[in-house]
Amino acid sequence: DAGVIQSPRHEVTEMGQEVTLRCKPISGHNSLFWYRQTMMRGLELLIYFNNNVPIDDSGMPEDRFSAKMPNASFSTLKIQPSEPRDSAVYFCASSSPGHNTEAFFGQGTRLTVV
Amino acid sequence: AQSVTQLGSHVSVSEGALVLLRCNYSSSVPPYLFWYVQYPNQGLQLLLKYTSAATLVKGINGFEAEFKKSETSFHLTKPSAHMSDAAEYFCAVSPINSGGYQKVTFGTGTKLQVIP
Repeated sequence: DAGVIQSPRHEVTEMGQEVTLRCKPISGHNSLFWYRQTMMRGLELLIYFNNNVPIDDSGMPEDRFSAKMPNASFSTLKIQPSEPRDSAVYFCASSSPGHNTEAFFGQGTRLTVV
Repeated sequence: AQSVTQLGSHVSVSEGALVLLRCNYSSSVPPYLFWYVQYPNQGLQLLLKYTSAATLVKGINGFEAEFKKSETSFHLTKPSAHMSDAAEYFCAVSPINSGGYQKVTFGTGTKLQVIP
């Protein structure tokens, strides 16, 4: 398996623009997580899905952020409109069914909002 | 509520010296515990995990960690540091639940520098 695949790897956009980050989890995994990593705040869980259903989105910073998982093999994280403070590395991770399974991370998307 | 505290945001060791990265957890229920490593410009990779079996857990690249309930600790060790161990290390905790999914909480990370 190719692992968790995220695209794009790098994104530079202007403030106010819409940004969409994409993730393909590992086949057979039924949980998917979106994280944000910054120097100031470390690694933050934004939202996670189980069986394509959002379970906990309490980490989503504000209404400008939204996430979808239309099927088991694809998820998006959208920021609209984007702001400079959204600049960070966004990671997607997935895990298989079970109680003690670890999360497998993608390479991340480095977002820069100018 | 669950949390982990990693003592020391930066740790420096000489090549060949013992590596000790500290992690203390707080959890209202028995937890699962994990150590992840992050190399520059990469995602996090699992080093090892504790899932209530053996308290001494061996992972990849010669790392191991010991779960100590009395001390609520899960420190990561490696007998002899190698230059390739330079990375950032994250401790993480997840409560055991029957929901079929788990919310993992990460520590703030410790950057390990290995000095030749």
